[in-house]
Amino acid sequence: GENVEQHPSTLSVQEGDSAVIKCTYSDSASNYFPWYKQELGKGPQLIIDIRSNVGEKKDQRIAVTLNKTAKHFSLHITETQPEDSAVYFCAASRDTGTASKLTFGTGTRLQVTL
Amino acid sequence: DAGITQSPRHKVTETGTPVTLRCHQTENHRYMYWYRQDPGHGLRLIHYSYGVKDTDKGEVSDGYSVSRSKTEDFLLTLESATSSQTSVYFCAISDQGRVGEKLFFGSGTQLSVL
Repeated sequence: GENVEQHPSTLSVQEGDSAVIKCTYSDSASNYFPWYKQELGKGPQLIIDIRSNVGEKKDQRIAVTLNKTAKHFSLHITETQPEDSAVYFCAASRDTGTASKLTFGTGTRLQVTL
Repeated sequence: DAGITQSPRHKVTETGTPVTLRCHQTENHRYMYWYRQDPGHGLRLIHYSYGVKDTDKGEVSDGYSVSRSKTEDFLLTLESATSSQTSVYFCAISDQGRVGEKLFFGSGTQLSVL
């Protein structure tokens, strides 16, 4: 089955700096890569996603890049703010014909300090 | 926020006792999922449902059973709880179960098995 590795497990940045979280996946058939943000006491929430036919996608201060050859994808957050502090999960999935079955990474705890 | 309610929010139980967690949705989505979240493992799929009375196993289904008698309710049962099932359990829903579809998560149930 799919295996997703995520690094780093914790990341501390100063407000205004950029943060980068990296993930690798093992199944070359995976074609969808979402990122979820989990705030304390809440469930994960989708913040951005990318499909395998696209190399990069941006949404305001966040962006995701995908390298299919190397089987890795990254989340980039620019101009970080205190409200960006949360746990971030990458995930991967492929078309199985039934259900949106995601394989998640182990998570990155991002702390944005003032 | 998607209309997903998990109950109870917190539960403490003893080894060997049965436990049932409930997920209730008001979105009329066809697909429902149970994930568990553990440090160092991210989120792992336990079981999912693709319709009333239609369920299938995920990657960590041993020791768990599920039932879905109505579109809006998805129950997760631990027949005889063990300490290894101490975890945070999340319910998620999606509309059509296709790759690239957004998952909406509930707020989670913290289960402690003593």
